[in-house]
Amino acid sequence: EPEVTQTPSHQVTQMGQEVILRCVPISNHLYFYWYRQILGQKVEFLVSFYNNEISEKSEIFDDQFSVERPDGSNFTLKIRSTKLEDSAMYFCASSGTSVAGELFFGEGSRLTVL
Amino acid sequence: RKEVEQDPGPFNVPEGATVAFNCTYSNSASQSFFWYRQDCRKEPKLLMSVYSSGNEDGRFTAQLNRASQYISLLIRDSKLSDSATYLCVVLTSGSARQLTFGSGTQLTVLP
Repeated sequence: EPEVTQTPSHQVTQMGQEVILRCVPISNHLYFYWYRQILGQKVEFLVSFYNNEISEKSEIFDDQFSVERPDGSNFTLKIRSTKLEDSAMYFCASSGTSVAGELFFGEGSRLTVL
Repeated sequence: RKEVEQDPGPFNVPEGATVAFNCTYSNSASQSFFWYRQDCRKEPKLLMSVYSSGNEDGRFTAQLNRASQYISLLIRDSKLSDSATYLCVVLTSGSARQLTFGSGTQLTVLP
């Protein structure tokens, strides 16, 4: 069964450092997303990406964050100058064209900022 | 009022029991509705979409009441493997591609 894969599964970084989280969406999917979940809290939308550009972003997704799809398969989330409050599980998701809302999530990348 | 609101639980039920979860949403223009399940420290996984006429998938039944802005999930003959957090998810924004997740209802099925 096709799946969304994410790396790394866990990253520990010092405050102020930059991190890049990587995702390989399901190959024939066209819509890509990043969500985050702070421990014990709900899943929060960060950004959606379609046709090589951001289609929508939340208020969380400020200038500290960026996304790109550099090579047609990987989909990356870059977090610049990490803060303690960026510690969370970051989920990548993708969807096909069938039904908006039927997302396939990766297993997540846990980011710990010290 | 929260965009998507759920009773956090926890619901502790014996194996074989029937359990129901409720969810309310605030935006009357919401377009689509889903139930996801999330196991502890794992990713959300789509359980089922919720259709206006209600729909059933095996032991799971989902209902939508647009007038009351209310969604429900019924689990019959619960199994130990049903233990998880159940997330009510609503497509709320003008864009067709942004989902809003509820905080989830925790279910533990006891042997």
